[in-house]
Amino acid sequence: QSALTQPRSVSGSPGQPVTISCTGTSSDVGAYNYVSWYQQYPGKAPKLMIYDVSKRPSGVPDRFSGSKSGNTASLTISGLQAEDEADYYCCSYAGSFTWVFGGGTKLTVL
Amino acid sequence: EVQLVESGGGLVQPGGSLRLSCAASGFTFSNYSMNWVRQAPGKGLEWISYIGSSRPIIDYADSVKGRFTISRDNAKNSLYLQMNSLGDDDTAVYYCARDYSYGLWDWGQGALVTVSS
Repeated sequence: QSALTQPRSVSGSPGQPVTISCTGTSSDVGAYNYVSWYQQYPGKAPKLMIYDVSKRPSGVPDRFSGSKSGNTASLTISGLQAEDEADYYCCSYAGSFTWVFGGGTKLTVL
Repeated sequence: EVQLVESGGGLVQPGGSLRLSCAASGFTFSNYSMNWVRQAPGKGLEWISYIGSSRPIIDYADSVKGRFTISRDNAKNSLYLQMNSLGDDDTAVYYCARDYSYGLWDWGQGALVTVSS
């Protein structure tokens, strides 16, 4: 149950795209199409942004998108906005009703 | 509107026990699997336990296996986490979260557990 690997921080200017990677193993990210992404503001509960690798819950802006290739999943935010500045966590199903999170990425909007 | 409200957090001495509760409303609780996720101060999210909706499927992260017990009472729309043999590493905000399609769709506001002498 090792944590998925995310960059500690990423940054981008308003209107620019930014991508956050999430690297796991063939036992979690590579094995299942059950990667989800969460946005968390300081002192707040996480919010689901992407599930099943690339699906967006109702109400999540379409500038948020997800993808996966092999053992690496990615969250892309196109058209970065100031309110997107937050921490982002990936999460993968790891089999036998267990999940594993990434270490989190702090997104800074310049 | 889905609401999840955790309670039962607080200060506990090392080696002590605590029981967290999560009161659910706004959805048919018995139809959904539930999870506990925690976040140590300044750290990332850590999944710690899962319980199925009606089948007795339960699992834990290695970090809490043998010390924590998840349970639910569908008649009371409540989820529980019994935590025993608590250590410093268990200090965290504990969230309950509703599970759907392998994603955690709804989260409570969190309950702070502080393990300290």
